[in-house]
Amino acid sequence: AQKVTQAQTEISVVEKEDVTLDCVYETRDTTYYLFWYKQPPSGELVFLIRRNSFDEQNEISGRYSWNFQKSTSSFNFTITASQVVDSAVYFCALSGDRGSTLGRLYFGRGTQLTVWP
Amino acid sequence: NAGVTQTPKFQVLKTGQSMTLQCAQDMNHEYMSWYRQDPGMGLRLIHYSVGAGITDQGEVPNGYNVSRSTTEDFPLRLLSAAPSQTSVYFCASSPSGQGEETQYFGPGTRLLVL
Repeated sequence: AQKVTQAQTEISVVEKEDVTLDCVYETRDTTYYLFWYKQPPSGELVFLIRRNSFDEQNEISGRYSWNFQKSTSSFNFTITASQVVDSAVYFCALSGDRGSTLGRLYFGRGTQLTVWP
Repeated sequence: NAGVTQTPKFQVLKTGQSMTLQCAQDMNHEYMSWYRQDPGMGLRLIHYSVGAGITDQGEVPNGYNVSRSTTEDFPLRLLSAAPSQTSVYFCASSPSGQGEETQYFGPGTRLLVL
């Protein structure tokens, strides 16, 4: 079964603090893909990153970085020097390549991040 | 290139009414899907389609119908609205539904069923 767990329901930080959003996943697929989406207060879903299961390199994009560890089935997301504009709900999602799960995204329940000025 | 569009943005229904949520994409994507988002639940798959004329059920299909007569459009029909269907509905598309593809989401439709 495919499952994504985001244990942190809400996180509050003060601007310029670093914050890490946790994501733990379960899958039986050998090949799978992990995603992070951002949902700002306006409500749309904004794609942030995709990671393949066979590529464990960490990735950095500006203030954003992602740590993928297959050994712990985790794909954590860190925001460095957080800003008020980072306030949003962040979703981690998983997709596989098997027939029954083809194309389907399994979402975690999301983490509400609030950054205070 | 408008991407994925959804109409309406907001809708209020009375219990028992029917309606259709519209979704269209102009990227020539074969794969389209509908998700619903409920507080604290993340997004859950309702129905999906891998191409015109082909649809299948997702995790929470009860109370919803879909059809796919063209590549561009994938409407979601509520047959007899219930308060439990109060939610935010997102349509998404990707080129072929392969796991590595990024899915593009529409702006969402907020539905309130009284």
